[in-house]
Amino acid sequence: VIMTQSPATLSVSLGERATLSCRASHNVNTNLAWYQQRPGQAPRLLIFNAYARATDIPARISGSGSGTNFTLTVSGLQSEDSGVYFCQHYNKWPQYTFGGGTKVEI
Amino acid sequence: QVILVESGGGAVQPGGSLRLSCWTSGFRFNNYVMHWLRQTPGKGLEWVAVIWNDGSKVSVAETVKGRFNISRDNSKGTLDLQMNSLSAEDTGVYYCARGISRFEYWGQGTLVTVTS
Repeated sequence: VIMTQSPATLSVSLGERATLSCRASHNVNTNLAWYQQRPGQAPRLLIFNAYARATDIPARISGSGSGTNFTLTVSGLQSEDSGVYFCQHYNKWPQYTFGGGTKVEI
Repeated sequence: QVILVESGGGAVQPGGSLRLSCWTSGFRFNNYVMHWLRQTPGKGLEWVAVIWNDGSKVSVAETVKGRFNISRDNSKGTLDLQMNSLSAEDTGVYYCARGISRFEYWGQGTLVTVTS
């Protein structure tokens, strides 16, 4: 399964909303996760099962979608939201694949 | 507090070997499936290998099959990755991570550089 993310780069202002897209080449149901990676850090799990927030992730970060089209929305952008966001499917164990990432600049 | 710390990275010549280790604390290690992933300039984030909580089941990505081997020591809470026949395409940051299908916790990563 090939995961394609768009846009490659997204420039947004503080307080605005960012909408990130992830498309799977085959149906992955809702077996999809989103991660944020800040410079020099490991990825951090944000969303799993397409829409469930991970521990300590604020409600202004939300995920949606199923099948082949998924969206991550980050509302009320803060400086800490900058970084690269990756989607990852886990529809077939253990052949997990990641998207190429969307860089969010604030 | 879940902590994962990788070690063992460094520079190695093509064809060489390295053994990475992941030291863990803050959770019952033998209850969890563990993975190795890597982030390379060529392919980005890539899943590498997984081992079941009791070590009974392992799987590695096709790109490293026959060259990499994952293992664990539940008595010590450690996870290893033996990497053989390394090539330039294996250059990148290697992470250990906890989780069955999604990766809930990650280490900070260890850099592997394959260069002549």
